[in-house]
Amino acid sequence: AQSVSQHNHHVILSEAASLELGCNYSYGGTVNLFWYVQYPGQHLQLLLKYFSGDPLVKGIKGFEAEFIKSKFSFNLRKPSVQWSDTAEYFCAVNPKTSYDKVIFGPGTSLSVIP
Amino acid sequence: NAGVMQNPRHLVRRRGQEARLRCSPMKGHSHVYWYRQLPEEGLKFMVYLQKENIIDESGMPKERFSAEFPKEGPSILRIQQVVRGDSAAYFCASSRPTDIWNTIYFGEGSWLTVV
Repeated sequence: AQSVSQHNHHVILSEAASLELGCNYSYGGTVNLFWYVQYPGQHLQLLLKYFSGDPLVKGIKGFEAEFIKSKFSFNLRKPSVQWSDTAEYFCAVNPKTSYDKVIFGPGTSLSVIP
Repeated sequence: NAGVMQNPRHLVRRRGQEARLRCSPMKGHSHVYWYRQLPEEGLKFMVYLQKENIIDESGMPKERFSAEFPKEGPSILRIQQVVRGDSAAYFCASSRPTDIWNTIYFGEGSWLTVV
């Protein structure tokens, strides 16, 4: 069955620490990949996306993610987190052949301590 | 505990008809979000509802689209006089009210095709 896993359920970091959130998916075909963020009390927002081309994609607010096809991974990174990055982060996979199918990971809660 | 249920899974409408998409949130969840995904794009927020109340509809097109979440029954996203550009996948998510975290759970989506 197709699925998306995120390595950590809850991550706690101090400000200025580096962040890496893991995301792995199980799907044999070509995919579009997304990271979404939901800040407390707000709706989901798109952080970044990968459709094709350079596997290192840059998103908003200093986030980036690297698609490693051989590992079926799409890890999210940020070199130095801020308190305002405290949020829930979701990885999602969309098979290129099925625009109506989006598989979400369970989410990772990030708490950044000032 | 059943997840977020959306129906229909696939809906085909002719131009000018009405489309109704339903979302039953997870048990105990009183917040519902609707998102739209167009081909080759990510999810775009449409509307955020609590029971009997629209909290944020900043992502809803000004015409033809409406949403409700009644006291009883599912949330409904209604699109009147559909056009080809409305063809998309519509995702519903739900959450329980929390002070800090607003962990959301997504349904499998409803795919609308306008012919």
